[in-house]
Parts: sequence; structure tokens; C-alpha cells
Amino acid sequence: DIVMTQTPLSLPVTPGEPASISCRSSRTLFDSDTGNTYLDWFLQKPGQSPQLLIYTLSYRASGVPDRFSGSGSGTDFTLKISRVEAEDVGVYYCMQRIAFPRTFGGGTRVEIK
Amino acid sequence: QMQLVQSGPELQKPGTSVKVSCKASGFDFSTSTIQWVRQARGQRLEWIGWIVVGSLSTKYAEKFQETVTISRDMSTNTVYMELSSLRSEDTAVYYCAAGGSLRTWGQGTKVTVSS
Repeated sequence: DIVMTQTPLSLPVTPGEPASISCRSSRTLFDSDTGNTYLDWFLQKPGQSPQLLIYTLSYRASGVPDRFSGSGSGTDFTLKISRVEAEDVGVYYCMQRIAFPRTFGGGTRVEIK
Repeated sequence: QMQLVQSGPELQKPGTSVKVSCKASGFDFSTSTIQWVRQARGQRLEWIGWIVVGSLSTKYAEKFQETVTISRDMSTNTVYMELSSLRSEDTAVYYCAAGGSLRTWGQGTKVTVSS
């Protein structure tokens, strides 16, 4: 199985400031046949189901504010929030879907300082 | 809008089975893929398996190969996830989600396995 590793475990942030979360996979998520990198990002707000933020490395899901962006290549990926807002608190997860079984990172808890 | 509504919480004894439902609306169910993910307390999200609704093709994580069955009922736009031989370690919130990239999630179903 592909192992997904996220850092940091916890991220205290100041509203209005940028934030960055890293995710690393144990093997490449780049598919040379399609040219796509199959890495998605989710946010699980307190008491809610996870929600899709970013799919296929860098595409924002419908309704996701443009302060969220995804980047990276191969095995190293980053989710950036350009200016954190109070509503962004929760646990962020990365997930690979280049191979079965799908696997998730351990999560990064974002909280307001 | 796209919506998945799951069945209510379950309390089951070890060794028994549980069947969780996931009713879809607001999108073309017949061309969709529905996946199941679970989240035990303090654990990361864990992928269980998926069903390609139109073809009835299923795929399961190896860990669940012997104990899970995912099925669907086209007449009611509902997908089911049945987990058998329950153990205490199966206590978790179970989610269904639509699409290859888990675009829409159900509200979750808490399954508690306890004697």
C-alpha cells in the first residue's frame, strides 16, 4: 500500500496569515499515461464529514475559495492557504488515488492561535 | 444538489453483521462510483472499497476482502455496505462518498461493536 505522511501534525495559525501543509507519498502519484497526479486534499471541520478541497493535485473543488491551492510533484505535495480565516479550522487530509487501496495521510489539525 | 443520506447509528454484538445504507440524490446515480471510508476514534481515514454503480463492479481493500460486501439498488438509488464478523475494532464512523475523488460525502453512520 502507498503510505501517505503529513506534516505538521498540528498547525496553530493567525487569521490573515498564510499556512502550509505538506504531504509525502511512498511512491510517485504521477500517471505518465494521463499526465495527471492523483493527489486530493480534504478538510474535516469539527463535527462534520470530510469535504473535498483540491483534486488531481491542483484543481479546486466547486465552491472552494481561491485562497486554497495545491501544488507539488511526484511524491511531495503542499496545500497552501494564502490567508487563513476562522472557518478554515479543522483537520486536513491528503489522499492518493493512483492505486488501490486508496490511502490517506494522518491528518493536520489547523487551529486558530 | 448532490446529496448522500446514510442510515442511522448501529449497535451490534461481536460476530454479527451490520448493513449501512447510502441513498443518493441530485446526480446521475447510474453512472456514479460510490466509495466507503471509515474513521475510528483517533485514527486516520481508512478506505474500505467502492462500487461502480452502472457495471456493479466492486473493489475492496485487502483487509476487508473477506468481510465486506458493497451492493446497490438502482430502483431506490441506494448503495449498501455490509460488514460481517464484526469485532470491537470495527467500531467507527462509516462514510459513503460519491465520485472518484470523493466529491460528495454522506453524513456518516456510527457503528458500535460491543457485547
